[in-house]
Amino acid sequence: DGGITQSPKYLFRKEGQNVTLSCEQNLNHDAMYWYRQDPGQGLRLIYYSQIVNDFQKGDIAEGYSVSREKKESFPLTVTSAQKNPTAFYLCASSMGPSGYNEQFFGPGTRLTVL
Amino acid sequence: QKEVEQNSGPLSVPEGAIASLNCTYSDRGSQSFFWYRQYSGKSPELIMFIYSNGDKEDGRFTAQLNKASQYVSLLIRDSQPSDSATYLCAVKTPRGSTLGRLYFGRGTQLTVWP
Repeated sequence: DGGITQSPKYLFRKEGQNVTLSCEQNLNHDAMYWYRQDPGQGLRLIYYSQIVNDFQKGDIAEGYSVSREKKESFPLTVTSAQKNPTAFYLCASSMGPSGYNEQFFGPGTRLTVL
Repeated sequence: QKEVEQNSGPLSVPEGAIASLNCTYSDRGSQSFFWYRQYSGKSPELIMFIYSNGDKEDGRFTAQLNKASQYVSLLIRDSQPSDSATYLCAVKTPRGSTLGRLYFGRGTQLTVWP
């Protein structure tokens, strides 16, 4: 079954902690993306990666970090520098910029700061 | 000016009516256009994309693209309560194409009442 998986589904973070959100895809997609969604808001791009070992900052990268060591995996770390991390985090993937670039989303991780 | 704007909503229609969702974009060179549906608490799901002027139909859904006026719309015929969701418009702009990203609108919330 091809798709995108994210884990965990729910995550609770204490103040000052770093936490890592997992995103894995088996669609053989080159590009992967991380978005943040706040209640009643649209999607805001955090980081994205077109190829392995390369990634770019999106519109709200401060307080976040990523790595892309494998084509299938694009984990996101929410650091203690992110002052308001409570949100719904969505990972997406696409074939890459050469095509229409339609993106497909994982089920999301809901992060709450305690 | 934002890359992509959607009518703010919320939009409320009776069951069986036609729901019309609109999206405008700022970059005249934009290439492909996507509509996503997002149920409350879930991740976005791609329902249609269009890249040529005119209409594209898929079941009860019709996407309409007018590049001269820089708008794209989604019509939902015979609306059902199960269509109640937030609809996100996304655009592949020339700048986004170079960067390998899409630009998303903030979404329009649709409610279909029985």
